[in-house]
Amino acid sequence: KAGVTQTPRYLIKTRGQQVTLSCSPISGHRSVSWYQQTPGQGLQFLFEYFSETQRNKGNFPGRFSGRQFSNSRSEMNVSTLELGDSALYLCASSPRTGVFTEAFFGQGTRLTVV
Amino acid sequence: AQKITQTQPGMFVQEKEAVTLDCTYDTSDPSYGLFWYKQPSSGEMIFLIYQGSYDQQNATEGRYSLNFQKARKSANLVISASQLGDSAMYFCAMRYMEYGNKLVFGAGTILRVKS
Repeated sequence: KAGVTQTPRYLIKTRGQQVTLSCSPISGHRSVSWYQQTPGQGLQFLFEYFSETQRNKGNFPGRFSGRQFSNSRSEMNVSTLELGDSALYLCASSPRTGVFTEAFFGQGTRLTVV
Repeated sequence: AQKITQTQPGMFVQEKEAVTLDCTYDTSDPSYGLFWYKQPSSGEMIFLIYQGSYDQQNATEGRYSLNFQKARKSANLVISASQLGDSAMYFCAMRYMEYGNKLVFGAGTILRVKS
């Protein structure tokens, strides 16, 4: 069974640009969550999608947005990039939503904003 | 308020020995899930083990076991027979309804296995 696939693995963008990251969850999984990891802030929750609906959103500005498609694949978009958006972005796949549900992560997309 | 606390920033262990990584949590929610992840330098977050708050027995997965002490609100990870490949960052995480079921992570513990 294929794991969680995130593309691209690495990105370098210029301040002010926008970027789209992609996540394909494990087959059959309907929940996709996104997390940002930085050395200073650690791992922070961005948002969760389940059956194409955003179920939960973290404390990030509106420049961060996402969506989920009918095949459960998810995209995350960051507009007007800032230097502080440089981070490892991790996508997590779960079969369902809820506290008793395991989450499996992809390899991440490492975004560098210059 | 800090919900997940990992008090050991770094740990060393001799190859083939067992090591315990500490994790305490704080929630008044009776329903929650506890997780441990391993993150090598490549960045991938690897799922290791899960324990539900109503599970009576400690979870085990191969060389990993979770020492769940509900009254003390601790969920320590025990790695038996350490291997060089176990060198990585380890994160304890929790899901609970008060936080909308999202994963809340601790600061992590860097484990170094010595040969």
